[in-house]
Amino acid sequence: EAGVTQSPTHLIKTRGQQATLRCSPISGHTSVYWYQQALGLGLQFLLWYDEGEERNRGNFPPRFSGRQFPNYSSELNVNALELEDSALYLCASSLPGGDQPQHFGDGTRLSIL
Amino acid sequence: TQLLEQSPQFLSIQEGENLTVYCNSSSVFSSLQWYRQEPGEGPVLLVTVVTGGEVKKLKRLTFQFGDARKDSSLHITAAQPGDTGLYLCAGERVGNQFYFGTGTSLTVIP
Repeated sequence: EAGVTQSPTHLIKTRGQQATLRCSPISGHTSVYWYQQALGLGLQFLLWYDEGEERNRGNFPPRFSGRQFPNYSSELNVNALELEDSALYLCASSLPGGDQPQHFGDGTRLSIL
Repeated sequence: TQLLEQSPQFLSIQEGENLTVYCNSSSVFSSLQWYRQEPGEGPVLLVTVVTGGEVKKLKRLTFQFGDARKDSSLHITAAQPGDTGLYLCAGERVGNQFYFGTGTSLTVIP
């Protein structure tokens, strides 16, 4: 069974640009979560999608947005990039319902120059 | 404010020693997960605990969920260099809201 896959592995942008990160969940998983892991910090929750709908978002500005497609894959878009957006962005997926553990991809390393 | 606090933040021990990592909160969680993350990779799920007081064992790793479902501990017996990594706890609250701990960076020296 293929795990959660994320692309690209690395992404280098400059301030003010826009970035798009992609995530394919494990087959059968309908929920997708996005997290930001900045250097030296823990995982900060960004967004949760389930069945194509945004179910919850963390304490991040509106320039962080995303969507989930009918095949349950997901995109995270970050507009007007700032230096402090440099981080590892992790995607996780889970089965529907409560108390379902999340399974993570290896992340996209976003570097802002 | 971090909902889940882990301690210690950093831990460096000799191979063969025992250690315990703590994950504490003032909030109640419906379930709690422990993950290990290695450099350049995403967190890998180790265990999920659901019932208050539950104890799960995974080879040399013992996980316990507090009776009140507010805290958890991870105990490693006879640590090995392969146990090196960042250990993260994550608590789930109603509505699939996951909160991650601050992490414990473990280094096991051969």
